[in-house]
Amino acid sequence: DVKVTQSSRYLVKRTGEKVFLECVQDMDHENMFWYRQDPGLGLRLIYFSYDVKMKEKGDIPEGYSVSREKKERFSLILESASTNQTSMYLCASGSSGTRNSPLHFGNGTRLTVT
Amino acid sequence: AQSVTQLGSHVSVSEGALVLLRCNYSSSVPPYLFWYVQYPNQGLQLLLKYTTGATLVKGINGFEAEFKKSETSFHLTKPSAHMSDAAEYFCAAVGAGGGNKLTFGTGTQLKVEL
Repeated sequence: DVKVTQSSRYLVKRTGEKVFLECVQDMDHENMFWYRQDPGLGLRLIYFSYDVKMKEKGDIPEGYSVSREKKERFSLILESASTNQTSMYLCASGSSGTRNSPLHFGNGTRLTVT
Repeated sequence: AQSVTQLGSHVSVSEGALVLLRCNYSSSVPPYLFWYVQYPNQGLQLLLKYTTGATLVKGINGFEAEFKKSETSFHLTKPSAHMSDAAEYFCAAVGAGGGNKLTFGTGTQLKVEL
């Protein structure tokens, strides 16, 4: 079974702090994604990566950056956390083999910025 | 750009009743379509996926979805709801272009009542 592990389930940070959200997958997937989930808005894509050291902006990249130094790990970085970044963050991975390969999701990190 | 619309942010059914969750996609090219389910405090789990070919797709837990090109729809159904089906359901699509990043609908919260 594919496992996508997000290092924290809950995080509380202060405004202005630098925040790292870590995600690790164990299936040798090429593709990794960061989404944010907000009530009534569904999931929105922040950043994604199709290879090590590669990254592309999603639909809402402002205020975020990412790092992919190793294939299995994809980190989301909030350079200076703000209250409007309080949200649920979901990491996903998927095979690059075919376009209908499903994504596999971690259990999410609920971030609160105060 | 690909977009996915889910009609009804909240749906309530009685246990044993038919479940119908609606999803429409926008595109002149039929995309790859998915339904995911999210139970409380968990990540997203794949219910089923559509690929070109059969229009009726069967998934896990008794769910199925019918792809209708003429209506650009991919509605999710289950003949008889169970209390354990209470969750949030997301329709998603991979659009034109490369890769398998997903665009999600805004989600439908399913409530099952006795």
